[in-house]
Amino acid sequence: GAVVSQHPSWVICKSGTSVKIECRSLDFQATTMFWYRQFPKQSLMLMATSNEGSKATYEQGVEKDKFLINHASLTLSTLTVTSAHPEDSSFYICSARDAFPQENPYEQYFGPGTRLTVT
Amino acid sequence: ELKVEQNPLFLSMQEGKNYTIYCNYSTTSDRLYWYRQDPGKSLESLFVLLSNGAVKQEGRLMASLDTKARLSTLHITAAVHDLSATYFCAVDPDSNYQLIWGAGTKLIIKP
Repeated sequence: GAVVSQHPSWVICKSGTSVKIECRSLDFQATTMFWYRQFPKQSLMLMATSNEGSKATYEQGVEKDKFLINHASLTLSTLTVTSAHPEDSSFYICSARDAFPQENPYEQYFGPGTRLTVT
Repeated sequence: ELKVEQNPLFLSMQEGKNYTIYCNYSTTSDRLYWYRQDPGKSLESLFVLLSNGAVKQEGRLMASLDTKARLSTLHITAAVHDLSATYFCAVDPDSNYQLIWGAGTKLIIKP
């Protein structure tokens, strides 16, 4: 089945530093990936849509300069949290759409998530 | 404003009982999704419902969709402890896979 990985699975960083999170589709090509954040015991909030070879589209209220997204290949999207602050601490989840779905054309496949703690 | 409302938000039940989680949404959507999330984990896809009257079943879980009422239900039959998790519904109003999520229903099933 379609597998999406994220790296790292958890990270602790100091306030003011930047953190990069990778999202990879392991056995399929993904022209579109999505980045979500989830606060404890809350729902998912879509942050941005990442399109291979073009600029990401951000949801209203999400700072583009703070959350840099790069989708340089059909299997990799990265989210960089720049100048992180404690309020950026969250669970970040990516998902990916199979560009050539053989089964389940309406699915998106979720990564295992990255827990970011900013101290 | 697009809204997806789930109820209940929290449900504690005994093994062997039946219960239903409801998902109402405020705009038209061609697709409705149900996901399961275990604590500290990512999302597991349960069902994708694509048309009015769609019903899908997997084990003790059955999902249905009424697009006219903008309502989906997730029915649990003879619950077992392993079904304890948080269940989310989500809709795709623009058919572009940018999902709008419900708040989630935390389900605890006691032996």
